[in-house]
Amino acid sequence: GDSVTQMEGPVTLSEEAFLTINCTYTATGYPSLFWYVQYPGEGLQLLLKATKADDKGSNKGFEATYRKETTSFHLEKGSVQVSDSAVYFCARRGSGGSNYKLTFGKGTLLTVNP
Amino acid sequence: NAGVTQTPKFQVLKTGQSMTLQCAQDMNHNSMYWYRQDPGMGLRLIYYSASEGTTDKGEVPNGYNVSRLNKREFSLRLESAAPSQTSVYFCASSEGERGYTFGSGTRLTVV
Repeated sequence: GDSVTQMEGPVTLSEEAFLTINCTYTATGYPSLFWYVQYPGEGLQLLLKATKADDKGSNKGFEATYRKETTSFHLEKGSVQVSDSAVYFCARRGSGGSNYKLTFGKGTLLTVNP
Repeated sequence: NAGVTQTPKFQVLKTGQSMTLQCAQDMNHNSMYWYRQDPGMGLRLIYYSASEGTTDKGEVPNGYNVSRLNKREFSLRLESAAPSQTSVYFCASSEGERGYTFGSGTRLTVV
């Protein structure tokens, strides 16, 4: 079935460090892919998305490229800030008749220290 | 602001009590969802409604019921709360190829 696997955290970085959070998905169909961010005490917010192979989603300095050959959608940011501390979720759209549903990874907690 | 509104934000129940979590969206979305979030488990789908008038079970439906009252509202009911239902509950809605819009969550504790 549809599934998403993302790197387990927690991830702790110093301010201005480079961030990568790995995400891979099951290769059922050609799903749209998403990254969501959850700040403490809040709901999830859409961070970026990509709808087809080789698309790059970007927002707030974060980027992720849809890699069909490796079934991956890794999240990157060149220089993290303390305000980026949050939980990050990778997600894929369902396949076939469930293509309106999203399947989420388990989340990766990022802490950025000053 | 347009979005998904959940009530209440916090609730404490005793084992065996019942309650209904309310969710409303004002974006004219067709699909709505209920998730629970537990440490180390990520988000797990409880029930969803692909469109007004339809509801279906998700990954963890036991102990819950839902009602899609109209296009805007999708409620989640716990008939007899158990400590295992202590969690943070999120409602979300979506339309077409766009991603989900989430509510801010309900933090439920069952003692």
